[in-house]
Amino acid sequence: KNQVEQSPQSLIILEGKNCTLQCNYTVSPFSNLRWYKQDTGRGPVSLTIMTFSENTKSNGRYTATLDADTKQSSLHITASQLSDSASYICVVSGIGNEKLTFGTGTRLTIIP
Amino acid sequence: GAGVSQSPSNKVTEKGKDVELRCDPISGHTALYWYRQSLGQGLEFLIYFQGNSAPDKSGLPSDRFSAERTGGSVSTLTIQRTQQEDSAVYLCASSPGTRSSAEQYFGPGTRLTVT
Repeated sequence: KNQVEQSPQSLIILEGKNCTLQCNYTVSPFSNLRWYKQDTGRGPVSLTIMTFSENTKSNGRYTATLDADTKQSSLHITASQLSDSASYICVVSGIGNEKLTFGTGTRLTIIP
Repeated sequence: GAGVSQSPSNKVTEKGKDVELRCDPISGHTALYWYRQSLGQGLEFLIYFQGNSAPDKSGLPSDRFSAERTGGSVSTLTIQRTQQEDSAVYLCASSPGTRSSAEQYFGPGTRLTVT
């Protein structure tokens, strides 16, 4: 069964600090992995998408890594800001499969 | 341009009533998805429309759930005889393509509460 597991479930850090969120998946055959940011009461917004051949991708202060051999990904946030408070969702797609497998997300809270 | 819009933003209904949730995708997007997000759970796929092809209904949890997409644009998700376990946020997403790498753009969701 295709699964995506994220850790930690929740995280609280001080403004300006860095943090790293983890994602492990069992989706096979693998096509791509995405990280979404979901603000409270809003729909998810894409941060990065990585295919099998990519092992890192950045979007501003967000840097995602992918290890397709170990089926792990991480999302690193640098110099956190209050606006980074949100849920971060890891989503994996299989080859030839239009359905995405979603993780349950990490709830990140940035405190001043 | 305008993003994906959904209406209503919130819906409270009594158990046993029928509800209709609406999704307006981004103009020109051929693919449309419905998802359900329950408290503390990941997004759950419900149904997928692609152009004029028959929809993929494999994620619908029961025959009380149905969806239509008229004219390849607006979609309506209907839940008949609502139950308390149907309470969730229902998200719609549209995509310009069918490849698994195609970006999906999400609407803000409809929060459904069944009392």
